Amino acid sequence: SAVISQKPSRDICQRGTSLTIQCQVDSQVTMMFWYRQQPGQSLTLIATANQGSEATYESGFVIDKFPISRPNLTFSTLTVSNMSPEDSSIYLCSAQTDRDEKLFFGSGTQLSVL
Amino acid sequence: DAKTTQPPSMDCAEGRAANLPCNHSTISGNEYVYWYRQIHSQGPQYIIHGLKNNETNEMASLIITEDRKSSTLILPHATLRDTAVYYCIVDNYGQNFVFGPGTRLSVLP
Repeated sequence: SAVISQKPSRDICQRGTSLTIQCQVDSQVTMMFWYRQQPGQSLTLIATANQGSEATYESGFVIDKFPISRPNLTFSTLTVSNMSPEDSSIYLCSAQTDRDEKLFFGSGTQLSVL
Repeated sequence: DAKTTQPPSMDCAEGRAANLPCNHSTISGNEYVYWYRQIHSQGPQYIIHGLKNNETNEMASLIITEDRKSSTLILPHATLRDTAVYYCIVDNYGQNFVFGPGTRLSVLP
């Protein structure tokens, strides 16, 4: 199993600013993912964070808006850039270990943009 | 789009078994069936997964039909803390989880 810590757990931000969310896993993992959950909705995959290469983005999500870093096998960041109220969501980090095909999720970052 | 369909909501009496159905008629041979749940404001929690055999762990049982086109998650003795949204997902080794709307289970006292 893997324990995933996300920071911050919540934030209130002003329009036009950027927020970087950190995701730390307690063990080395091969795959890390970032999801968005808009109010009252299900989870939507934003991108796969690849270690040592650029993230792979899903349709509707672009690097300029959601830059992702993955400097090593235990850590990733997601930045929400030039925020607008429509970016108000829960952002979730998940990871998959080498030995197990399960996905583990962090507790999420609740973002509110004013 | 999600590859599964689930009822939007279900109720269950506390202490009784909760049986949550899932249809996945287009599942391919190498895709697993995963179940997760999300309690309000928390990240999804893994429950169980299986390929074709029935599976049981300390949280639940997973019954997969022989043709693999549907499955049922069974919580044998539901408690109030099992109130959550339950997601059924089919995927090959968790590489591209697509979450549908899930089933909102309400466990009633």
